[in-house]
Amino acid sequence: DAGVTQSPTHLIKTRGQQVTLRCSPKSGHDTVSWYQQALGQGPQFIFQYYEEEERQRGNFPDRFSGHQFPNYSSELNVNALLLGDSALYLCASRLRAGNTIYFGEGSWLTVV
Amino acid sequence: DAKTTQPNSMESNEEEPVHLPCNHSTISGTDYIHWYRQLPSQGPEYVIHGLTSNVNNRMASLAIAEDRKSSTLILHRATLRDAAVYYCILRDEAPGTYKYIFGTGTRLKVLA
Repeated sequence: DAGVTQSPTHLIKTRGQQVTLRCSPKSGHDTVSWYQQALGQGPQFIFQYYEEEERQRGNFPDRFSGHQFPNYSSELNVNALLLGDSALYLCASRLRAGNTIYFGEGSWLTVV
Repeated sequence: DAKTTQPNSMESNEEEPVHLPCNHSTISGTDYIHWYRQLPSQGPEYVIHGLTSNVNNRMASLAIAEDRKSSTLILHRATLRDAAVYYCILRDEAPGTYKYIFGTGTRLKVLA
């Protein structure tokens, strides 16, 4: 049973560029959420997707957008990258009626 | 949003019990208490969760105060592999919401 998988694991981008991160949820899970974790901090909720729609959003600017596909996989897009966007980006999935979310290993983004 | 307060760091000797405290004085009646831990360079890992009653699983025990304003994660015999950042999280069960609010967690150091 595959867990939550994310790609790429590491990437480096330049300020002003755009990045797309990908996530495949745990088998059988239909709800995906994204978190940003800056160095030394706890993860911060970005948004959650269910039935291909954004259902809830944290305090992040519109530069952060996402998408969920019919197979429940998801993408996180960040436009006009800033140095402060450098962080570990975590994807988490759960069953719609479930109590527990499961995290992937994350994608390390460095903006230079 | 409800928030949690945890000590920044704790130390324990190997094979001794560890009690990790968490205060959540603004908890609402529908908030579940979740604990996750994060090992270096990994995504958060589910440990345990509860609502009102104490809970046990193969990893740990969760003791919840009667007024629910605090809880304690208990590792019965700490091992070196338990060295991690432990997060106490409240999950809002209100309809349409499903986000975890992470604090900075407690960094547990296990001494051999």
